[in-house]
Amino acid sequence: DQQVKQNSPSLSVQEGRISILNCDYTNSMFDYFLWYKKYPAEGPTFLISISSIKDKNEDGRFTVFLNKSAKHLSLHIVPSQPGDSAVYFCAASGTDSNYQLIWGAGTKLIIKP
Amino acid sequence: DTAVSQTPKYLVTQMGNDKSIKCEQNLGHDTMYWYKQDSKKFLKIMFSYNNKELIINETVPNRFSPKSPDKAHLNLHINSLELGDSAVYFCASSPSGGETQYFGPGTRLLVL
Repeated sequence: DQQVKQNSPSLSVQEGRISILNCDYTNSMFDYFLWYKKYPAEGPTFLISISSIKDKNEDGRFTVFLNKSAKHLSLHIVPSQPGDSAVYFCAASGTDSNYQLIWGAGTKLIIKP
Repeated sequence: DTAVSQTPKYLVTQMGNDKSIKCEQNLGHDTMYWYKQDSKKFLKIMFSYNNKELIINETVPNRFSPKSPDKAHLNLHINSLELGDSAVYFCASSPSGGETQYFGPGTRLLVL
């Protein structure tokens, strides 16, 4: 029973264009959401997060949008760069998960030159 | 000055052996975690320690035993290794439970 779903295993985007990665969740008690980036043979690295009291958080080229009614969040990367090619994991936590992070399966982003 | 380090990075061993993976964090965090990334690439929490005390212990065989000698270290000992234990194991830490976690580089375990 996956509480956090990333339905696209992979995504290919042209360099310079916008990359949009999606994540859906089922648990309405989640109140904190994070995106992590992972290169091969390395651990995940924190990218950006958003609290449920906000619907948008921006950090440079990265913006996370949260739609609580749809239980959906997305990560926008613009403009996409070759170094953005990685696997992106969505994670969520809340009071009833004891603040344990619940992870999606990841989306592999490929930026084409 | 790596924030979260794990040793070894690669571990190849025979079924039935006992092995340990070490994790150290120099971030001053109170909480440390062990995750297993399985063949389907899901990250699954195994254990979480807060100030050397176990706070999360997911359904993990009791062949896996975490040990936290101090809040900067969380080691994972695995007894009687099985083929299904082959995976990548990640250590992570956070200032306290529920906040952003910082990951080590992973230990790639292969059981033959």
